Amino acid sequence: DADVTQTPRNRITKTGKRIMLECSQTKGHDRMYWYRQDPGLGLRLIYYSFDVKDINKGEISDGYSVSRQAQAKFSLSLESAIPNQTALYFCATSDSGTRFTGELFFGEGSRLTVL
Amino acid sequence: DQQVKQNSPSLSVQEGRISILNCDYTNSMFDYFLWYKKYPAEGPTFLISISSIKDKNEDGRFTVFLNKSAKHLSLHIVPSQPGDSAVYFCAASAQGGSEKLVFGKGTKLTVNP
Repeated sequence: DADVTQTPRNRITKTGKRIMLECSQTKGHDRMYWYRQDPGLGLRLIYYSFDVKDINKGEISDGYSVSRQAQAKFSLSLESAIPNQTALYFCATSDSGTRFTGELFFGEGSRLTVL
Repeated sequence: DQQVKQNSPSLSVQEGRISILNCDYTNSMFDYFLWYKKYPAEGPTFLISISSIKDKNEDGRFTVFLNKSAKHLSLHIVPSQPGDSAVYFCAASAQGGSEKLVFGKGTKLTVNP
């Protein structure tokens, strides 16, 4: 089983619908992230959380919200989806126990299409 | 403004030869550099990293070189294997901030048998 699991893996929805992408991890890491990947644009940070009570905006948070329900769970919501939110979304984790060395552990991705 | 640039969208090499993937950066505050590899339908996985206090780091067939004066790093894969075919992302971090990790756009490497 994957250490970082994302659901759903694929989703097609319509403009204006509310969508939630869920992420759960078994690595025991306290830090969790949501990234978005668009063709030719690399990975961009949407939100991150360093613990259950800590939520922070990333580079491109507009139109998104998150919830950290537990140390192992971090969900991303699109309250009213729009076509330019069509992208591949990745959840990632890291451990704060040692000085951060850049190693993030990614889920397999959730492909979202907004029509 | 892109802080981490991978100017080659794709690279094709023959099996057994060297693959060289390049990355340039503009932010002089970056002090840690990483390469991630991504296969289709999978998440990126960490490959190798280098601190700004070093100019080379080697791990098996993979070597990363850092030229701070040129703000340039490169990933060498020797010898290249078909299983190395993937998208490679360069990333950089400033002052140990995991939330400050900045990714390049990626280079798609194809290793031909």
